Amino acid sequence: SQTIHQWPATLVQPVGSPLSLECTVEGTSNPNLYWYRQAAGRGLQLLFYSVGIGQISSEVPQNLSASRPQDRQFILSSKKLLLSDSGFYLCAWSSAVGLATNTYQETQYFGPGTRLLVL
Amino acid sequence: RKEVEQDPGPFNVPEGATVAFNCTYSNSASQSFFWYRQDCRKEPKLLMSVYSSGNEDGRFTAQLNRASQYISLLIRDSKLSDSATYLCVVKSRSNYQLIWGAGTKLIIKP
Repeated sequence: SQTIHQWPATLVQPVGSPLSLECTVEGTSNPNLYWYRQAAGRGLQLLFYSVGIGQISSEVPQNLSASRPQDRQFILSSKKLLLSDSGFYLCAWSSAVGLATNTYQETQYFGPGTRLLVL
Repeated sequence: RKEVEQDPGPFNVPEGATVAFNCTYSNSASQSFFWYRQDCRKEPKLLMSVYSSGNEDGRFTAQLNRASQYISLLIRDSKLSDSATYLCVVKSRSNYQLIWGAGTKLIIKP
């Protein structure tokens, strides 16, 4: 079965410090990978998605970046954090388009998330 | 107009009651529909897909109305553990991105 890991679970960082959040997926190959942010009491905001190694699409211009150095590894980074970067960061995976054989394979499955507080 | 709209609630419902909420979507080309559940400070988890013919999973029933472009979720005999935020999600055939509603908060009271 597939599992998705994220770390750390909680992070408190000062404004202007760098950020690196890691996500890894097990039990599947060539997944689509996603980074979302959820502000307190709000819906999910898609930040980045990737359909393969080195392929990153950005949905929202910001001071964050993403990288996919390996098939099942997705990293979210920032060189200098802002107060507005605080939130709940979620990594998700889904089957690659074209490989899904039913709707359950089309949908996205989430890691446990990282709660980031920028002070 | 938002692509996926939900009543944010909260819906305060006594234990054992039946509760239903809807979600409307704007893209008529949408092909796949899902309900997710999110507990406080946790990640969203897939509750059920929504099929054209409607589908049921225990106390939960999901329905799709393509003509009016909405999906619904019905919870029967509600339990305290059903308290959560329910997220409506829509996907088009050609796009691997999901469009998320902001969620409906449900509170089941004893």
